[in-house]
Amino acid sequence: QKEVEQDPGPLSVPEGAIVSLNCTYSNSAFQYFMWYRQYSRKGPELLMYTYSSGNKEDGRFTAQVDKSSKYISLFIRDSQPSDSATYLCAMSEPQDNAGNMLTFGGGTRLMVKP
Amino acid sequence: DSGVTQTPKHLITATGQRVTLRCSPRSGDLSVYWYQQSLDQGLQFLIQYYNGEERAKGNILERFSAQQFPDLHSELNLSSLELGDSALYFCASSARTGSGYTFGSGTRLTVV
Repeated sequence: QKEVEQDPGPLSVPEGAIVSLNCTYSNSAFQYFMWYRQYSRKGPELLMYTYSSGNKEDGRFTAQVDKSSKYISLFIRDSQPSDSATYLCAMSEPQDNAGNMLTFGGGTRLMVKP
Repeated sequence: DSGVTQTPKHLITATGQRVTLRCSPRSGDLSVYWYQQSLDQGLQFLIQYYNGEERAKGNILERFSAQQFPDLHSELNLSSLELGDSALYFCASSARTGSGYTFGSGTRLTVV
């Protein structure tokens, strides 16, 4: 079993829909949680960065972390065709100033239809 | 432009050869991470350097090595290349805790 599980999709939604993307994990030591967006053959782009449990909102994006359930989510409101990409969740154990390695989910491919 | 620069963008080489991938981190970032992304394995952590010192190792093959130089740029050396080494290789950098990790645009390696 992988440390971080993510439904590969593809997830197809109409423009304007609310999208929900999820990851589950098994390592209770994870404390930092991130969501990245990756367009085809490009580098992952950081969307959201959260610490421990709770919610964080940035524009159309909301990240939720439930450490008790080992479950994280990313919600995209008013989805646009330009949101079509692969979304990767990533997480790490406690960090010091040197940082720490990220463990990634396999990614969910999202398609937003006009 | 993310601020993390990777060269070359594309590399085609034959089995058994050796290549060097280069990464320049964002200005001020001391940590550099190397990741391999293949279709069936997703993003896999290879190795981390912090301020010139090796900090952590992942599933990096013995044929692979890396280093970080005093100017903080890093190089990933891949030797005795096999067909299965064909993948995207990403470099990421980070500043202190809480700043997130910024990825470069990657080097696409094709071994023929």
